[in-house]
Amino acid sequence: DTAVSQTPKYLVTQMGNDKSIKCEQNLGHDTMYWYKQDSKKFLKIMFSYNNKELIINETVPNRFSPKSPDKAHLNLHINSLELGDSAVYFCASSQDHRANQPQHFGDGTRLSIL
Amino acid sequence: GQSLEQPSEVTAVEGAIVQINCTYQTSGFYGLSWYQQHDGGAPTFLSYNGLDGLEETGRFSSFLSRSDSYGYLLLQELQMKDSASYFCAVINQAGTALIFGKGTTLSVSS
Repeated sequence: DTAVSQTPKYLVTQMGNDKSIKCEQNLGHDTMYWYKQDSKKFLKIMFSYNNKELIINETVPNRFSPKSPDKAHLNLHINSLELGDSAVYFCASSQDHRANQPQHFGDGTRLSIL
Repeated sequence: GQSLEQPSEVTAVEGAIVQINCTYQTSGFYGLSWYQQHDGGAPTFLSYNGLDGLEETGRFSSFLSRSDSYGYLLLQELQMKDSASYFCAVINQAGTALIFGKGTTLSVSS
C-alpha cells in the first residue's frame, strides 16, 4: 500500500552510462515531481508534471529527460552520467500544484557514479 | 528570486522545547510549509501556514508572520525520535513547485 514508490532504491554505475529511475503513485494525485538532494541535503526541484504535462523544468541539463506515460507514473532517464549526478533523487506527488497541498515523497534513489 | 534562511543546526535535550526559525524572500507568497526528514528517509509533510498565526498539530506547531516574512516550527516535549532535519519551503513564483530551505538538523539527546 505504498503511496509513492520509486525504483531502484540504489543505483551504482559508471560515468557515461545511461540509467532510468521509475516512480509510481497510487494516491490519485494530479501532480508529480522529481527532486535532487545533494550531499549537503539541499533539496532542489528538477521537474514538475501536472496531468502528464510538463509544467516546470528548473535549469536541469538536457541529459535528464522525464517521461510521464500516465498521471500515476513519472520516470526519469539520465544520459551520459557524470560524477556530479551522484545524489539522492526523490519522486513526489501532490493532489495538485497549489501551495497548500502536501507533497508525498518516495523513499529516494541513491545514485552513485563511479 | 526566492531564498529561505534557517539555522543549520539545533541541539536540545529530551522533554525540552525548540523553535526553528525560517525567514524568506520571495516575489509572490503563497504560504510556508515544513517538512521533516530522518537520516536516510524521505521528507514528510508536517504543516502549512497560508495565513498569519499559529497552527498546532500535536506536539508540533508552526507560526507565520507574512509582514515579517518569517515563520517558525515549534517542537514541544522533544523525543529522541524528533532528531531529524527540518526544512521550510515556499512555492515558487509560478506556483508550480516547492523551493526548500537548506534544512536545520535537530539533535535531541537524553
